[in-house]
Amino acid sequence: QVQLVESGGGVVQPGRSLRLSCAASGFTFSNFAMHWVRQAPGKGLEWVAAIAYAGSTESHYADSVRGRFTIFRDSSKNTLYLQMNSLRREDTAVYYCARGYNWHERFDFWGQGTLVTVSS
Amino acid sequence: QSVLTQPPSVSAAPGQRVTISCSGSISNIGRSYVTWYQQLPGTAPKLLIFDDNKRPSEISDRFSASKSGTSATLGITGLQTGDEAEYFCGTWDRSLSVYVFGTGTRVTVL
Repeated sequence: QVQLVESGGGVVQPGRSLRLSCAASGFTFSNFAMHWVRQAPGKGLEWVAAIAYAGSTESHYADSVRGRFTIFRDSSKNTLYLQMNSLRREDTAVYYCARGYNWHERFDFWGQGTLVTVSS
Repeated sequence: QSVLTQPPSVSAAPGQRVTISCSGSISNIGRSYVTWYQQLPGTAPKLLIFDDNKRPSEISDRFSASKSGTSATLGITGLQTGDEAEYFCGTWDRSLSVYVFGTGTRVTVL
């Protein structure tokens, strides 16, 4: 069965960096686009970034993270990453990775999420 | 970048029906499939409805959805306590090249 397991969350000071990982299993990882979605405490869902299937360089970012966050994937490890630089307090959220069906038509499987807290 | 508008909350008694609206624009709902997600308390979101009105096989037929123009609607019939959750609509915005979610609607069973 499809499984997505995020890791790498924690407490980090403003301005510092953090890298999240999402280990995928149960499907051919390289054939699917992957996304990161976040949810601030008590708030709604916010899409963060997307990367196309392996072999394509296409990626997209929300305005709120463009230039600070980088999404990338390692198909040899079936793992999705989110490199987060210059973190701000407003980046505090649970970060979910999600599988994108047909690029960005829908998110058909989600991980359990990892909490990132930006605080001094 | 939440550009899809939903009512903050809806409520009804067990067995009753509720509807949740999702309002967008021509660049998102008007030109892309709408998806609905259910988020039970303390859990990750789950796919509920895709391609405007289709249900995954494991989703109860008490859930249905439709779309017209730049708006979409989710309906839940035979409301159960297990339906208490946050519901989000979502779609790709072709002008902004970003995925947009609705503001979310909390369903309460009275």
